[in-house]
Amino acid sequence: TQLLEQSPQFLSIQEGENLTVYCNSSSVFSSLQWYRQEPGEGPVLLVTVVTGGEVKKLKRLTFQFGDARKDSSLHITAAQPGDTGLYLCAGGSGGSNYKLTFGKGTLLTVNP
Amino acid sequence: NAGVMQNPRHLVRRRGQEARLRCSPMKGHSHVYWYRQLPEEGLKFMVYLQKENIIDESGMPKERFSAEFPKEGPSILRIQQVVRGDSAAYFCASSQNAGVEENSPLHFGNGTRLTVT
Repeated sequence: TQLLEQSPQFLSIQEGENLTVYCNSSSVFSSLQWYRQEPGEGPVLLVTVVTGGEVKKLKRLTFQFGDARKDSSLHITAAQPGDTGLYLCAGGSGGSNYKLTFGKGTLLTVNP
Repeated sequence: NAGVMQNPRHLVRRRGQEARLRCSPMKGHSHVYWYRQLPEEGLKFMVYLQKENIIDESGMPKERFSAEFPKEGPSILRIQQVVRGDSAAYFCASSQNAGVEENSPLHFGNGTRLTVT
């Protein structure tokens, strides 16, 4: 059974601070996705990474896929209250890559 | 440009009743996926359907749960004789192509929150 562990589970920071959240597994994934989920809503895709060592930037968000494709990180620079939400990572496996394995998420609160 | 539409948003059922959850995929999407989010748990894959076909139901509980995606109309997730443990948020997602590809991501609906009393 593939598992994705996300850390920290909860993170509360002040506006303007930087932060990194992690997504780790002992399994190899063919792709890894990061989502943000607001209360009462479905997950919204932020990025997909597919190549080991890949780094993608989305404004103040930087996503990295580990060289071995077992782990990933999300770094947010100068966090803003609008970044508040549940950040989920999800791994896809070749062959049945529609069957995503989700982590439990990191709940981020950015205080003004 | 409507996204994935799920209804109802909230559903309350007594133990033993049936729950029917509906999902209309994004326009042009013919691949539908159902996921369940139990309290304190991550989203778990349940079933993958194309029009009129179940492609993979490996995540579905063996009993009481069924899913369909008819030629016309929304996809339906049906739970018979609900129990308290079925209380969860049920999310539907759709994609244009099969699977999860960089150029064909999953788009999730806002879910149906089922409460069994």
